[in-house]
Amino acid sequence: AQSVSQHNHHVILSEAASLELGCNYSYGGTVNLFWYVQYPGQHLQLLLKYFSGDPLVKGIKGFEAEFIKSKFSFNLRKPSVQWSDTAEYFCAVIFNTNAGKSTFGDGTTLTVKP
Amino acid sequence: DTEVTQTPKHLVMGMTNKKSLKCEQHMGHRAMYWYKQKAKKPPELMFVYSYEKLSINESVPSRFSPECPNSSLLNLHLHALQPEDSALYLCASSQVREGYTDTQYFGPGTRLTVL
Repeated sequence: AQSVSQHNHHVILSEAASLELGCNYSYGGTVNLFWYVQYPGQHLQLLLKYFSGDPLVKGIKGFEAEFIKSKFSFNLRKPSVQWSDTAEYFCAVIFNTNAGKSTFGDGTTLTVKP
Repeated sequence: DTEVTQTPKHLVMGMTNKKSLKCEQHMGHRAMYWYKQKAKKPPELMFVYSYEKLSINESVPSRFSPECPNSSLLNLHLHALQPEDSALYLCASSQVREGYTDTQYFGPGTRLTVL
């Protein structure tokens, strides 16, 4: 079955630390990949997306992600986190056999200590 | 305008009530979605409309009834809900591309409590 997994359920970092959140999916075909962020009490916002082309994608607020096809991964990174990055982060995948359906990972809660 | 709006923001209803959630977008998107999200969990897809036609129903109980009156509006009619249906209900919209859909833009959600 097609699935999305996020390895880290809860990550706690100090400000200025570097961040990497893992996302893997189980499917060998064409995929569209997304990272969404949900700040406390707010709605889902798109951080970045990958459809094709350069596998290193830059998004908003200094986030980037790298698509590694051979590893079925799309990890999210930020070189230096801020307290305001405290939020829930969701990886989502659209598998080309399920047009119209995004499959979300379980999410990672990021807490940044000031 | 990249905004999806949802009303109401909060809704409290009894198990015998009938209510409706509303969603609107003016981005010209032809796919619209309803998701249910429990606290600290990912959104769960409920329904997808493509060109105003229901294209995906993820085995949602019939007490939830979606409606897409036109390309900008999406409703979710609620009747005889259960307390376990309490959740954040999210609406989203996206362009439709051949083969698969484009980025989904999410609304702020309606926080539903069923007593």
